[in-house]
Amino acid sequence: EDQVTQSPEALRLQEGESSSLNCSYTVSGLRGLFWYRQDPGKGPEFLFTLYSAGEEKEKERLKATLTKKESFLHITAPKPEDSATYLCAVQENSGYALNFGKGTSLLVTP
Amino acid sequence: GAVVSQHPSWVICKSGTSVKIECRSLDFQATTMFWYRQFPKQSLMLMATSNEGSKATYEQGVEKDKFLINHASLTLSTLTVTSAHPEDSSFYICSARQGELGTEAFFGQGTRLTVV
Repeated sequence: EDQVTQSPEALRLQEGESSSLNCSYTVSGLRGLFWYRQDPGKGPEFLFTLYSAGEEKEKERLKATLTKKESFLHITAPKPEDSATYLCAVQENSGYALNFGKGTSLLVTP
Repeated sequence: GAVVSQHPSWVICKSGTSVKIECRSLDFQATTMFWYRQFPKQSLMLMATSNEGSKATYEQGVEKDKFLINHASLTLSTLTVTSAHPEDSSFYICSARQGELGTEAFFGQGTRLTVV
């Protein structure tokens, strides 16, 4: 059973059309939830780490929120350059490594 | 953010040969580095955790004799794919953590390995 489930798998938005990406997780103890952006053929680029329910972080047009079961990545008025795959990962209290979801592929059209 | 450099960014090798991939943390010391593998349109799958000065910890199903990991210093970990076969063709990515557990983990730019 997957610990991290991201939805939707793919999302197509028009420029300026705001939306949210979802990351649901099931872990016994969450140390941190991470969001990354990955462009084709590149390594993931760090965006945010969230540690506790109720926490929110913002960076330009992106805002990440966290509850006890899921995290949302809100994209406000996206631009074509926001097109990428967005990855969510969790780190459990018991381990070092990150467990990744399969990602949401976002395409923003002009 | 911190910088993790991975080299080479792509490599093509013949079946049966070995390939070494380097992962360096450029502006911080990383006692722990991680190696991932990513197939097209799939997520990152952890292969092993590399600890400076000790043996790597491999995930279930990853052959430690095929994927040799060395973490000789606080800024360098290497992954050697030995006797490579076409099924080893993939995108390999390393990661290093700065600071305490739970803080940001930074990734290298990845290495595209093609075995012909």
